[in-house]
Amino acid sequence: GAVVSQHPSRVICKSGTSVKIECRSLDFQATTMFWYRQFPKKSLMLMATSNEGSKATYEQGVEKDKFLINHASLTLSTLTVTSAHPEDSSFYICSARVGDRKLFFGSGTQLSVL
Amino acid sequence: GQQLNQSPQSMFIQEGEDVSMNCTSSSIFNTWLWYKQDPGEGPVLLIALYKAGELTSNGRLTAQFGITRKDSFLNISASIPSDVGIYFCAGLGRDKIIFGKGTRLHILP
Repeated sequence: GAVVSQHPSRVICKSGTSVKIECRSLDFQATTMFWYRQFPKKSLMLMATSNEGSKATYEQGVEKDKFLINHASLTLSTLTVTSAHPEDSSFYICSARVGDRKLFFGSGTQLSVL
Repeated sequence: GQQLNQSPQSMFIQEGEDVSMNCTSSSIFNTWLWYKQDPGEGPVLLIALYKAGELTSNGRLTAQFGITRKDSFLNISASIPSDVGIYFCAGLGRDKIIFGKGTRLHILP
């Protein structure tokens, strides 16, 4: 199946710093990618939909200035957590949609803000 | 946001037992997907279903796309320890993707 590469898998940062997470589709072009947040033992919570060449669409309650999304090419979307604080600590996952047929996930990024 | 009704929420079974879980929705979907997520990892696609009534197997896993296009089930036969994890369903429509809340599978020693 298609491969979605997410990097880094784990990051620890100081409060107030910014962290960038990358999501790449390795063997297909993804016009649409999605970013999720997941708390321990909970389901995936959609944060935003990332569209290549246009602005991301954020879900209600997600701060667009806090979680910056850039989808600069058909194979790369990035999520930047700006001025991170401990409450931003979470597991972040990206996914890429292949037409109307399938959705593939990255391996996730565990963010810990000290 | 909108969610699928996935049940059961959790299951405790003995190794070797069969497992069944399902998802229902008030919306019609074009595609049903089933995923497994291990701790600290992203969900991995297990089975994809594209037509109403479709029954698809992947090893010990079998999933079906409901005739009404509003539901799907996943069965796991002869469970083994590595089946432990969280299983998610997802319904894909033209403009939406909706996830179930997951079924957490535990296998008793």
